[in-house]
Amino acid sequence: DGGITQSPKYLFRKEGQNVTLSCEQNLNHDAMYWYRQDPGQGLRLIYYSQIVNDFQKGDIAEGYSVSREKKESFPLTVTSAQKNPTAFYLCASSGYPGGYEQYFGPGTRLTVT
Amino acid sequence: GENVEQHPSTLSVQEGDSAVIKCTYSDSASNYFPWYKQELGKGPQLIIDIRSNVGEKKDQRIAVTLNKTAKHFSLHITETQPEDSAVYFCAASRQAGTALIFGKGTTLSVSS
Repeated sequence: DGGITQSPKYLFRKEGQNVTLSCEQNLNHDAMYWYRQDPGQGLRLIYYSQIVNDFQKGDIAEGYSVSREKKESFPLTVTSAQKNPTAFYLCASSGYPGGYEQYFGPGTRLTVT
Repeated sequence: GENVEQHPSTLSVQEGDSAVIKCTYSDSASNYFPWYKQELGKGPQLIIDIRSNVGEKKDQRIAVTLNKTAKHFSLHITETQPEDSAVYFCAASRQAGTALIFGKGTTLSVSS
């Protein structure tokens, strides 16, 4: 069963703690992405990676970090420097180069109190 | 940078009616325009997309049209059903492997 998995579905953290969100895909896609979604808003790009060991900042990268050590995995760390971390986080992947279509995982809802 | 505006923000129709959602984009270099459907608590699902070298694309009850000159693209859903109720997002991109720029979404409610 091919697809993108994100875990956990719900995550709760105290303010000041770093937290890492998992994203795995078995679609053999080269490119992976992290988006953030706030209530009533569209999705905004945090980071993306077109190839292993390389990644680029999106529009709202401040307070986040990523790594891409394996083609299948693209974890996102929400650091204590992120001012408003509570949001719905979505991971996506696409074939690269040439693959415009981005396919999304089920998302992780992070609540920081 | 690219900006995508989406209208309306909410849309209510009766089952069997048609629904139309419109988006405008600002970056003339954008060449890929997907539409996503998102159900509550789930990730967005790609339902249809169009490239800038095509004016219209249809898949059963859904269709997308693109006017490059006016920088407009629209989603058309015919014979709506209650299961079409969801939030729909348009997006635009200028290059594969980079960001999709999303509109703010349209909440479609189909009542039976």
